[in-house]
Amino acid sequence: EDQVTQSPEALRLQEGESSSLNCSYTVSGLRGLFWYRQDPGKGPEFLFTLYSAGEEKEKERLKATLTKKESFLHITAPKPEDSATYLCAVNAGSARQLTFGSGTQLTVLP
Amino acid sequence: NAGVTQTPKFQVLKTGQSMTLQCAQDMNHEYMSWYRQDPGMGLRLIHYSVGAGITDQGEVPNGYNVSRSTTEDFPLRLLSAAPSQTSVYFCASSTLGRGLGSYEQYFGPGTRLTVT
Repeated sequence: EDQVTQSPEALRLQEGESSSLNCSYTVSGLRGLFWYRQDPGKGPEFLFTLYSAGEEKEKERLKATLTKKESFLHITAPKPEDSATYLCAVNAGSARQLTFGSGTQLTVLP
Repeated sequence: NAGVTQTPKFQVLKTGQSMTLQCAQDMNHEYMSWYRQDPGMGLRLIHYSVGAGITDQGEVPNGYNVSRSTTEDFPLRLLSAAPSQTSVYFCASSTLGRGLGSYEQYFGPGTRLTVT
């Protein structure tokens, strides 16, 4: 059974204080790992897809990396508008279904 | 493009009532899916479809029905609502692409359902 665990559950940062969110996974045959951002009362918004260990993707202050067992979402010099819940999901095997972690709620204080 | 749209945004039902949550996408995506999101449990897959006329069960299908008569629409039906179905429901769509590629899913804004 595919499993995705995100840590920490919640993270409070001061504006400009860089940090990382962790997503560890146990799957058979990873086809893709996805990061989403979710604002309160809204649907998840796609950020990145990573396909193989060693791959990295960047977007503004966010950088996602992938190893064989985990992914990190690095946030450099965050701003209050980066406050959101960040979700990690994996697609494994021959199907298209996503298995989600329970998310990390990030709060960036001004 | 409107992307993925869902109606209604909010709904309150009484136990035993039935209703249909609507989902539509204008991106010509083959793959569509329904998730429910509960506090501390993440998003869980209810049903999915890989094209018109083809549907299958996800992780938590009991109490829900789906059909896919067109590429654009994928309604979710609650046959006899129960308090355990109180949740936020999200519809998502994705291209299937070719081969074994894995493609991002795009989510709608959600329907917040309360069953009393």
